[in-house]
Amino acid sequence: EAGVAQSPRYKIIEKRQSVAFWCNPISGHATLYWYQQILGQGPKLLIQFQNNGVVDDSQLPKDRFSAERLKGVDSTLKIQPAKLEDSAVYLCASSTTGLTEAFFGQGTRLTVV
Amino acid sequence: GENVEQHPSTLSVQEGDSAVIKCTYSDSASNYFPWYKQELGKGPQLIIDIRSNVGEKKDQRIAVTLNKTAKHFSLHITETQPEDSAVYFCAASKSTGKLIFGQGTTLQVKP
Repeated sequence: EAGVAQSPRYKIIEKRQSVAFWCNPISGHATLYWYQQILGQGPKLLIQFQNNGVVDDSQLPKDRFSAERLKGVDSTLKIQPAKLEDSAVYLCASSTTGLTEAFFGQGTRLTVV
Repeated sequence: GENVEQHPSTLSVQEGDSAVIKCTYSDSASNYFPWYKQELGKGPQLIIDIRSNVGEKKDQRIAVTLNKTAKHFSLHITETQPEDSAVYFCAASKSTGKLIFGQGTTLQVKP
């Protein structure tokens, strides 16, 4: 079974620029998550989708972050404009439902300079 | 708000010894408690989980215990091996699936 695919693996941008991350979940997984992991900390949920609907985006900085999951499969997370404090690893995870094991991708390491 | 405290932040043991990591959660409605292992440059990988209707679960050298009254849960690794060296995260979740992670424990197993 293929795992959660994320791209790119690494990205370096200047502050105030925009960036987008892509995630392809495990086939058949209805629930998709985006987590932000700052160096030395545990992951923090940014947004949770159930199919193509948003379940929880309470911790998403909506003035600069946006996410979509068209057709209930792939998802894109965008940051515009980026700030220095956005430097982190962005992890995508998926599960069959919200009550089952979440499988994580390898993440995208973002550095904002 | 929802919070998970994890201790210790770092743990160094000799190969063959046991390692114990402890977590405390704040939301009494939490009912699912997974443990993840994260190696350098990789995403977290589930190693064991426990649900609130169970007090203990074991899988070979790994065990997890849950005390719902005290809102504590712990990871026990016996007969540690160098390949167990990694960062370990506990997490707590309610039925929504959102995971609240602890701060992580860096485990070093010395040969």
